[in-house]
Amino acid sequence: ETGVTQTPRHLVMGMTNKKSLKCEQHLGHNAMYWYKQSAKKPLELMFVYNFKEQTENNSVPSRFSPECPNSSHLFLHLHTLQPEDSALYLCASSPQDRPNSPLHFGNGTRLTVT
Amino acid sequence: GESVGLHLPTLSVQEGDNSIINCAYSNSASDYFIWYKQESGKGPQFIIDIRSNMDKRQGQRVTVLLNKTVKHLSLQIAATQPGDSAVYFCALMNYGGSQGNLIFGKGTKLSVKP
Repeated sequence: ETGVTQTPRHLVMGMTNKKSLKCEQHLGHNAMYWYKQSAKKPLELMFVYNFKEQTENNSVPSRFSPECPNSSHLFLHLHTLQPEDSALYLCASSPQDRPNSPLHFGNGTRLTVT
Repeated sequence: GESVGLHLPTLSVQEGDNSIINCAYSNSASDYFIWYKQESGKGPQFIIDIRSNMDKRQGQRVTVLLNKTVKHLSLQIAATQPGDSAVYFCALMNYGGSQGNLIFGKGTKLSVKP
């Protein structure tokens, strides 16, 4: 158990669908992150929330919309995705958004866009 | 720009042998270095980290070595076990950066032969 729980584990959606990914952390951390992991590519940072405030949006297309209602929960709302958006989406948390606060990752949501 | 490269995308070792996974980086301002392990179907898991004011740090069966002169980072696993089979990522951060500024390598897949 990582302390960071992501649901669903797998998601298949059409390009016209709207869906949401959910992340919950039970570690008392104040920073939460969304990462995209594609085959044969390094982890790509998408969004950072520090104390519920978005501090980084790494040039992510607007079809991905994050929401952080509190320090324990993070959502990624998806709409009109493209097949190239198929990937493993990882949520992570850390005590704060600074060095010496290693990331704790969830097990990810495997997203397939058809 | 910043880049992080791994010397080998795959590594196969015999159970009981020592494993060495290497990482090279390009930016002299890199200040904080981390190794993550990702098992199949799971998210990355923190293994060990090191700051640039150190050249060696040891954990349980793992040692991280940092050579700032040649911008090289390595992870050594002693007495490799089947449970060590996974993809290993190095990640780095520049001085004054945050977790949102982590740069990941592509990963080395370690296979342990019984």
